[in-house]
Amino acid sequence: EDQVTQSPEALRLQEGESSSLNCSYTVSGLRGLFWYRQDPGKGPEFLFTLYSAGEEKEKERLKATLTKKESFLHITAPKPEDSATYLCAVQAGGTSYGKLTFGQGTILTVHP
Amino acid sequence: GAGVSQSPSNKVTEKGKDVELRCDPISGHTALYWYRQSLGQGLEFLIYFQGNSAPDKSGLPSDRFSAERTGGSVSTLTIQRTQQEDSAVYLCASSLQSGLPYFGPGTRLLVL
Repeated sequence: EDQVTQSPEALRLQEGESSSLNCSYTVSGLRGLFWYRQDPGKGPEFLFTLYSAGEEKEKERLKATLTKKESFLHITAPKPEDSATYLCAVQAGGTSYGKLTFGQGTILTVHP
Repeated sequence: GAGVSQSPSNKVTEKGKDVELRCDPISGHTALYWYRQSLGQGLEFLIYFQGNSAPDKSGLPSDRFSAERTGGSVSTLTIQRTQQEDSAVYLCASSLQSGLPYFGPGTRLLVL
């Protein structure tokens, strides 16, 4: 059974204090790993897709990396507007494209 | 429209009543998905439609849940004889055939 575990459950940072969020996964043939951001009362907003170990992607203060067992979302010099829940999901090979397995998310709070 | 839209935004119902939730996908997207997000839980896959293919219903939790997609566009998720444990946010997403899922804002369902 595909499984995604995110840690920590919650993270409180001061503005400018860099840190990383972890997503550990077990999946039968990884087709893709997704990072989403979710603000309160809204649907998840796409950030990154990673397909193979060693791949890295960046967007503003965020950088996502992927190994064979986990992915990290690095946040450099965060700002209060980066506060949100960050979701990780995997798409397994051999299943329909629409079937993503999500972790429970990391709630990030950045204080000014 | 610019994105996935869902209606209603919020729904309060009494235990035992039936509810219908609607999703309008992004124009041109052939794939449509329903997910459920319960309080403190990760997103849970419910059902996936792709073009004219038979839907992947493997995530529907019971036979009280059903969904249809008319004309390859709008989808309706129906929950019959609602129970309190059905209270959750129901999220719809759409994508190109095997592309990135874009999520709507969700319908918040409360069963009293």
